[in-house]
Amino acid sequence: DIQMTQSPSSLSASVGDRVTITCRASQTIASYLNWYQQKPGEAPRLLIYAASTLPSGVPSRFSASGSGSDFTLTISSLQSEDFATYYCQHAYGPSFTFGPGTKVDFQ
Amino acid sequence: QLQLQESGPGLVRPSETLSLTCTVSGGSIRRPTFHWGWIRQPPGKGLEWVGTIHYGGSTSYNPSLKSRVTISLDTSKSQFSLSLNSVTAADTAVYFCARSYSSAWGESFDYWGRGSLVTVSS
Repeated sequence: DIQMTQSPSSLSASVGDRVTITCRASQTIASYLNWYQQKPGEAPRLLIYAASTLPSGVPSRFSASGSGSDFTLTISSLQSEDFATYYCQHAYGPSFTFGPGTKVDFQ
Repeated sequence: QLQLQESGPGLVRPSETLSLTCTVSGGSIRRPTFHWGWIRQPPGKGLEWVGTIHYGGSTSYNPSLKSRVTISLDTSKSQFSLSLNSVTAADTAVYFCARSYSSAWGESFDYWGRGSLVTVSS
């Protein structure tokens, strides 16, 4: 099975900061990688698919890159509504694994 | 706008079977580019993919749960269901149903239900 790791597990930041989260797969997965944002008490929201593509409605301050086994999610200027937990997920079936999550909270 | 809604008992006794249903509205459950999945989240922990079913009925399950899980589809009711048998306290979680969009770069869960908390306790 493909295992996903994320770093850091948590970070503290301020509004306006540039934030970068990394995700690593235990084997190469090309660009089969998604990112989700989850706020407390809510369902996750798809933020990025195919490693770097933003679905309609996702603000352009979110970007992502990577291919193979190493991926990054970047928030260029953190907004108050971005404080949440972020999960990566490999999208190459038949089994889909989520990373452990990175919690972004107020500094 | 597509909506998904989980329903089922909030309390299940140990060793019994957890059963949840997801009702899909605002869109068709039959389109071949979509799969339908279950993801769970134990209290205070991360997300765990449980399994997925394609509109044609083929399924894939988390290997760690495969021996206990069944996902089924009822297109006439626009519903899909989760059955997890022999539950223990470790199965206590919020269970989300979600639509999985199939593209050239795999599966992404693009629409989610609000989640249903299932507690396993005697």
